[in-house]
Amino acid sequence: GEDVEQSLFLSVREGDSSVINCTYTDSSSTYLYWYKQEPGAGLQLLTYIFSNMDMKQDQRLTVLLNKKDKHLSLRIADTQTGDSAIYFCAESAGGGADGLTFGKGTHLIIQP
Amino acid sequence: DTEVTQTPKHLVMGMTNKKSLKCEQHMGHRAMYWYKQKAKKPPELMFVYSYEKLSINESVPSRFSPECPNSSLLNLHLHALQPEDSALYLCASSRSAADTEAFFGQGTRLTVV
Repeated sequence: GEDVEQSLFLSVREGDSSVINCTYTDSSSTYLYWYKQEPGAGLQLLTYIFSNMDMKQDQRLTVLLNKKDKHLSLRIADTQTGDSAIYFCAESAGGGADGLTFGKGTHLIIQP
Repeated sequence: DTEVTQTPKHLVMGMTNKKSLKCEQHMGHRAMYWYKQKAKKPPELMFVYSYEKLSINESVPSRFSPECPNSSLLNLHLHALQPEDSALYLCASSRSAADTEAFFGQGTRLTVV
């Protein structure tokens, strides 16, 4: 079956880089996503990566994919207090939102 | 307009009530979804509508009844809910059910008393 694993908490100092890790088991995963959820809010798609890519960068966000190890990471440079949220890793075999499998989410805590 | 709008934001209902959750998007998306998210858990897919037709029902109890009156609107009718149905209900849309990018609404926080 499909499984997406993330650690539940990550604490970083303001201004440092945050690296949130995710592992998945479905070898047919085609698209891998990072969603951000602030308290009491819906999910915001941050970025996604196609399985034939190793890296994708978008401003402060860098996504690294190791397909061999089925490991995905999200690096947030210069972490700010507004980055405090839960970050969900998700995968999809077909690319559609109907096939999304979410991890349990990593709660990013920012220390001043 | 890149928003998915859900109303109401909060809803408290009794177990004998009938209520509806509403979701609206004006991005021309033809796939719309309902997800349920319990506290400290990831979202779980409930229903998928593709071109206004129900294409996926993830074995959701019949006390949840989805409706897609047109390509911009998605409703979730609620009847005879249980306290364990209390959760954040998220609506999402994408250009098609196979499209990469899904946009989520802010959710309706439902409490069943």
